[in-house]
Amino acid sequence: DGGITQSPKYLFRKEGQNVTLSCEQNLNHDAMYWYRQDPGQGLRLIYYSQIVNDFQKGDIAEGYSVSREKKESFPLTVTSAQKNPTAFYLCASSPGGASGELFFGEGSRLTVL
Amino acid sequence: SQQGEEDPQALSIQEGENATMNCSYKTSINNLQWYRQNSGRGLVHLILIRSNEREKHSGRLRVTLDTSKKSSSLLITASRAADTASYFCATDYKAAGNKLTFGGGTRVLVKP
Repeated sequence: DGGITQSPKYLFRKEGQNVTLSCEQNLNHDAMYWYRQDPGQGLRLIYYSQIVNDFQKGDIAEGYSVSREKKESFPLTVTSAQKNPTAFYLCASSPGGASGELFFGEGSRLTVL
Repeated sequence: SQQGEEDPQALSIQEGENATMNCSYKTSINNLQWYRQNSGRGLVHLILIRSNEREKHSGRLRVTLDTSKKSSSLLITASRAADTASYFCATDYKAAGNKLTFGGGTRVLVKP
């Protein structure tokens, strides 16, 4: 089945550690996105990529990094510089252009101990 | 920043009743979308309405868009317990360059 796979679903991290969240899609979409969601809140954009080997900062990029070496993969690294990393992270993809509809993965919940 | 604002923040209704939630935004848009999120899950796209459209239907969903008031509404008719979820509006701002801005969501509880 076509879709977006995020892993791991749950992740625990000690303060000062970097962690990488995986996002893979087999929808052949050009655009991919990372959002952060805090309890009871909406989504805030961290990074997005509209084409391979190119990405842009979103509204809350500080303390995060990404890469887009392959069309189907868009991993997110939460670095030790992110002051409050405990959150629910959602990856999405889109065919791009005028469509605009996002297809989401099931999310990764990161907890810093 | 979250440019879309949903109202109400939470809504509790009985099964069979209609649920209405509203979204306001601030600047010109290409389109506005509604998404649904079950607790602890990813978001699912419900409906997209373009800036030149005023109303769209999809099953039990009806979305309206009033660009003069910069607002949209989502109506769920004949609600079911399975409609219990959070609903988010997302705006594709013309100045934003092909990315969506999400509001804070409306949490809907449908009691059986």
